[in-house]
Amino acid sequence: DVKVTQSSRYLVKRTGEKVFLECVQDMDHENMFWYRQDPGLGLRLIYFSYDVKMKEKGDIPEGYSVSREKKERFSLILESASTNQTSMYLCASSFRHHTGELFFGEGSRLTVL
Amino acid sequence: GDSVTQMEGPVTLSEEAFLTINCTYTATGYPSLFWYVQYPGEGLQLLLKATKADDKGSNKGFEATYRKETTSFHLEKGSVQVSDSAVYFCALTKPASSGNTPLVFGKGTRLSVIA
Repeated sequence: DVKVTQSSRYLVKRTGEKVFLECVQDMDHENMFWYRQDPGLGLRLIYFSYDVKMKEKGDIPEGYSVSREKKERFSLILESASTNQTSMYLCASSFRHHTGELFFGEGSRLTVL
Repeated sequence: GDSVTQMEGPVTLSEEAFLTINCTYTATGYPSLFWYVQYPGEGLQLLLKATKADDKGSNKGFEATYRKETTSFHLEKGSVQVSDSAVYFCALTKPASSGNTPLVFGKGTRLSVIA
C-alpha cells in the first residue's frame, strides 16, 4: 500500500517561529502537494512539485515556502508563523500525470499561539 | 477558473436512509471528476471517479454519474451505515490533453449517520 507519512500529527508554535512540516512518501511518486484544510473553506492548494528541486505555487502560497531535495520528501516551511496559519495541513502524492488519484497523509494540525 | 460547488452540510441521516450529496462543476475542456472521503482523524482517500461524460463511478455502495449536460456529479448511496459518517469532497482535474491542473476540491459535506 502507498504510504504518505507526515512527521507530526499535532504541533503548537508561537507567533514568529519558523515551522517545518515534513512529508515522506514511499511509492516513488513524482508529484507531491501541500493543502490546508479549514472549516467552511475545504482544501486549498498551497504548493506542489512535479519533480525534485522544482515547485509551483498553488492558490494560497503567501507566507509559505517549500523544499524538495529528494523525490520522496516534500517539506512545507512557515518562515514566520502567524495565528491565521492555524490549520490542518495535508500532504499528498501522485504519479506524474495528473490522473487525479492522490494519496494523502493523515494531516498535521498546527496551532499558532 | 475551474471550480466545484457541493451542497453544504452537515447532513444527518438515519441508518439505511438514501443519501444524495449534490456536486456541480465549472470547467473548460473535459475534466475528470472525483469523490474523496475523509473519515474522522484520517486523511482523504479516493472513493470513486469518472473520466468522461455518462461514466458512472462506483465503490463501497456509492455511485456517481458524470452528467455533462447538467455539469453535475452527484454522490448517491441507497442505504447508509453508521460507518459512512465522514466528510465527502467532490473534485475535478483536467487530463494532459486539456491542460494538466492539480485537483480542485469542493468545500466538503459532512455526513453523520445515526443508528
